[in-house]
Amino acid sequence: ETGVTQTPRHLVMGMTNKKSLKCEQHLGHNAMYWYKQSAKKPLELMFVYNFKEQTENNSVPSRFSPECPNSSHLFLHLHTLQPEDSALYLCASSQDASTSGTVQYFGPGTRLLVL
Amino acid sequence: DAKTTQPPSMDCAEGRAANLPCNHSTISGNEYVYWYRQIHSQGPQYIIHGLKNNETNEMASLIITEDRKSSTLILPHATLRDTAVYYCIVRAISSGSARQLTFGSGTQLTVLP
Repeated sequence: ETGVTQTPRHLVMGMTNKKSLKCEQHLGHNAMYWYKQSAKKPLELMFVYNFKEQTENNSVPSRFSPECPNSSHLFLHLHTLQPEDSALYLCASSQDASTSGTVQYFGPGTRLLVL
Repeated sequence: DAKTTQPPSMDCAEGRAANLPCNHSTISGNEYVYWYRQIHSQGPQYIIHGLKNNETNEMASLIITEDRKSSTLILPHATLRDTAVYYCIVRAISSGSARQLTFGSGTQLTVLP
């Protein structure tokens, strides 16, 4: 247990569905992250929130919409996804996104399948 | 961020030390070396990190060469549960904000019984 939880752990959705991924951290951290890991590919950073403010968006399509209501919770809202969006979506948190020596702790991920 | 080079795969006998190398010849003075591992289909797990000095914790030891151009992660007594992909990452501060972790392809460590 890393102190970062993600729900659901598995999700199957159609291309016209709307769903949300949830991440919660119990570590008292101020930064939260969404990563995407497609099959046989390295992790790709999607979004970064530091003290509830979005500080990074790595050219992610608008069908992915993040929300960070407070430092402990992070959501990823999904709508009109494509089959190529099927991947493992990972959430992470760290004390602060702007400090080089800080450690990111990852959740177990949500395995998403888009049909 | 400095580019890292790791062997794609390594085997290690159970109970023996696993030594995983990483080259980061373009590392800058303000870049930390991080090691994470990822067991199949799970989230990456933080192992250890360091700047200049060697580091040790309950999981592993990190040996950084004096010129900082390479490092070695040592798992002193590998078990079957240590089978995973191990990632060596360097991370720096740029213009007042830290660059984020960039995961490469890593080293697939297989611990053999």
